[in-house]
Amino acid sequence: DADVTQTPRNRITKTGKRIMLECSQTKGHDRMYWYRQDPGLGLRLIYYSFDVKDINKGEISDGYSVSRQAQAKFSLSLESAIPNQTALYFCATSNGWGGVRTGELFFGEGSRLTVL
Amino acid sequence: AQKVTQAQTEISVVEKEDVTLDCVYETRDTTYYLFWYKQPPSGELVFLIRRNSFDEQNEISGRYSWNFQKSTSSFNFTITASQVVDSAVYFCALSVDSGSARQLTFGSGTQLTVLP
Repeated sequence: DADVTQTPRNRITKTGKRIMLECSQTKGHDRMYWYRQDPGLGLRLIYYSFDVKDINKGEISDGYSVSRQAQAKFSLSLESAIPNQTALYFCATSNGWGGVRTGELFFGEGSRLTVL
Repeated sequence: AQKVTQAQTEISVVEKEDVTLDCVYETRDTTYYLFWYKQPPSGELVFLIRRNSFDEQNEISGRYSWNFQKSTSSFNFTITASQVVDSAVYFCALSVDSGSARQLTFGSGTQLTVLP
């Protein structure tokens, strides 16, 4: 089983619908991240959380919200999806500041979201 | 602010050719970390290497080598004797040792296609 699991892996939805992407990890890491990948733009950080009580906005947080339900779970929500949120979304984890410093983020397999 | 530029959007080579992927970065911080990630067609992101700003030694790992040059703000990645399995999108990334910027900044990626 993957250490970082994302569900759903693929989702097609309509404009205005609420969508939740879920991420769970078995690595025991305290830090979790949500990234968005668009063609030609690389990965951009949406939100990150350094522990259950710590939530931080990333580069492109508008239109998104997150919930850190437990150390192992970090969910990304689109309250009212719009077509330009069509993208590949990645959850990642790291083991403390040292993990970010070393670049050893561990990524999930991605969730492809299409908003019609 | 940090920036990573991967000017090569797509590269195509024939198997056994050598190929170099370019990465140019911008940061005002004196302590920073550079990385390469690989994203094969299956979609997951795989960590390849980390380099900190105080270590300009080049590194070789099998067919992979990395050339870090602070004078030109570059961290280039060379694959020697490329193979079809090297086909992937490769991302260069940067993080800085700053409390307000505890995140990775990714380049836009280079799509490498190795033809048989």
